[in-house]
Amino acid sequence: DSGVTQTPKHLITATGQRVTLRCSPRSGDLSVYWYQQSLDQGLQFLIQYYNGEERAKGNILERFSAQQFPDLHSELNLSSLELGDSALYFCASSVGTGALTSGNTIYFGEGSWLTVV
Amino acid sequence: AQTVTQSQPEMSVQEAETVTLSCTYDTSESDYYLFWYKQPPSRQMILVIRQEAYKQQNATENRFSVNFQKAAKSFSLKISDSQLGDAAMYFCAYRSADSNYQLIWGAGTKLIIKP
Repeated sequence: DSGVTQTPKHLITATGQRVTLRCSPRSGDLSVYWYQQSLDQGLQFLIQYYNGEERAKGNILERFSAQQFPDLHSELNLSSLELGDSALYFCASSVGTGALTSGNTIYFGEGSWLTVV
Repeated sequence: AQTVTQSQPEMSVQEAETVTLSCTYDTSESDYYLFWYKQPPSRQMILVIRQEAYKQQNATENRFSVNFQKAAKSFSLKISDSQLGDAAMYFCAYRSADSNYQLIWGAGTKLIIKP
């Protein structure tokens, strides 16, 4: 158990709909990352938050948005869903202090399976 | 920009044998971290081992060890006494030590364990 909690584990929805994926980072971790993994593909970095502020943005579509709340949990909002958005969405966390410490390891949740039909 | 290359799309090994997965990377930075993650059929992403670039000693975690060659920018993973539960996709990943905490991923190597 990595300590990163993601809900829901599985989600089936129709095209055009909107869903929200939730993530609770490990206790003490300030950074949260979102990744997308389509079938038989590697991980695509979407976005990173650090202590409530957006830190880095990757290949995230305009239809997708995320935020990190004061209690450090994060939500990834996916709207106007398309069939191609079907994927495994990972949340990950790290301490993210910027120093060369053991906190620079990124731990992953179990992922949220999204199927768009 | 940093890149990570895993040149072996698939590897197979006999149970109880030893296998080495290759990873090379390209960077101009001197301080960074390297990781091996395992993704079994359940698709969960599990950290296997990590290496700090400033450490000369190769990291070891039980049956898993790395051969870190900083000058050659090589970071291979050796799995000893392979077990059926080791069957998975293995991803090599790079992370800068500066304020950008993104992981740069290799394409992955599928490891098959033959009973």
